[in-house]
Order: sequence, then C-alpha cells, then structure tokens
Amino acid sequence: SQELEQSPQSLIVQEGKNLTINCTSSKTLYGLYWYKQKYGEGLIFLMMLQKGGEEKSHEKITAKLDEKKQQSSLHITASQPSHAGIYLCGAERESSRAGSYQLTFGKGTKLSVIP
Amino acid sequence: DAGVIQSPRHEVTEMGQEVTLRCKPISGHNSLFWYRQTMMRGLELLIYFNNNVPIDDSGMPEDRFSAKMPNASFSTLKIQPSEPRDSAVYFCASSLEVSYLNEQYFGPGTRLTVT
Repeated sequence: SQELEQSPQSLIVQEGKNLTINCTSSKTLYGLYWYKQKYGEGLIFLMMLQKGGEEKSHEKITAKLDEKKQQSSLHITASQPSHAGIYLCGAERESSRAGSYQLTFGKGTKLSVIP
Repeated sequence: DAGVIQSPRHEVTEMGQEVTLRCKPISGHNSLFWYRQTMMRGLELLIYFNNNVPIDDSGMPEDRFSAKMPNASFSTLKIQPSEPRDSAVYFCASSLEVSYLNEQYFGPGTRLTVT
C-alpha cells in the first residue's frame, strides 16, 4: 500500500520566516495533493501536482513534485499566523476496484507561527 | 454552495450506545467518502460510495460500523455498539466522481467521544 511520510511532524517558526514541509512516498506518485486543516475544521484543498518537476504556487505557498515523483515539498515564504495549522499530503492510489481511485494521507505536519 | 454538511458537530455518548453520523454532500457530486482521524493513525478512509453504491468498505474497522447512502444527497455512518476506541473525528468528503485526480471537498467533521 502507498505509505506517505511527512516531515517534520511539527514545526514552530517565527512570523516572517520561511519553512519547508516534506512528503515522501514509498511508491511513485501519480497525483499528490496538499491540504490544510485548522483545529476543529475540515481539510481545505491547497494544490494538486501530477507531473514530475511540476511546481505550483498560491499566494505565499509553493509546492513541488520531484522528477522521480516520489517526494513533494511545500514551501511557505514569509510565514504569517494565518498559515498555522496542520498540513497533510495525500496521494492517489487505485482502490480494490479496478479503475477507481482513492486518497491516502500522511499523518500531517503541525505548523505554529509565533507573532 | 453550502459545502459538505455534517451533523452533529460534536457527539458524546456512553459505551454501548448507538451513534449515527450524517452527511450531506455537495449537490452534483457523485462520490462520497467517510474518513476517521485520530492522533495515532492519522486520517483513514473508511468507505466510499459512487452514485450511491458502496465501492470499497475495506477500511471499515469491524461489523459494528455500517454506512448507507439512500440517495444522492444523504449518507449515514452508524456505530453500534460504540466503544471508547471509536473516539475520533469523522469526516465526510465528496467529489465530482471517483476517478483519477479529482479534488475532494471535506465537511467540518463530527467529533465523537465515547465514554
């Protein structure tokens, strides 16, 4: 089964600092999703990467999928308190029913931003 | 659109009682997913439906758990009898369809505590 390891498990940064979160897969990634979760709330979709070497940005958040498609990184520039939360990566894998896909998730990285 | 709606948001019950969690997916979405999130195991897929039909229930922990989707706008997850180890946050998510590279939209979750 697809295993996703996220690092670090938790991160505390000073406001304004840059940071990177990594997601490593034991298998080739065919679709990699990044979600953000705030305490007591559901997951909010951030970005999806598909192609090796692909990079996407939204505001101050940039995500990359490496060429070998087994690792993704999420980079936040000039962090703000609003960036605090849990970041989860999710990967597509084929379910037991052929042609059907589902997401498996890493355990998340908890980010705290100190004003 | 109101997004995915879940009820109740919080549920506290005693061991042995029946618990029913409810979900209303986004209108027009054909796929619905039930997840469970705990500190130990992270976010796990329990079951998912496509066009109201259960596709993969391999993530359902045991026979005490059951899920139904009587129509396109409503699903339930039932636990009978409940046990303290069932305490978790249960999320419902929906997507346009269960196919490759489809974004899932998550509800706010139901926080279940079994005493």
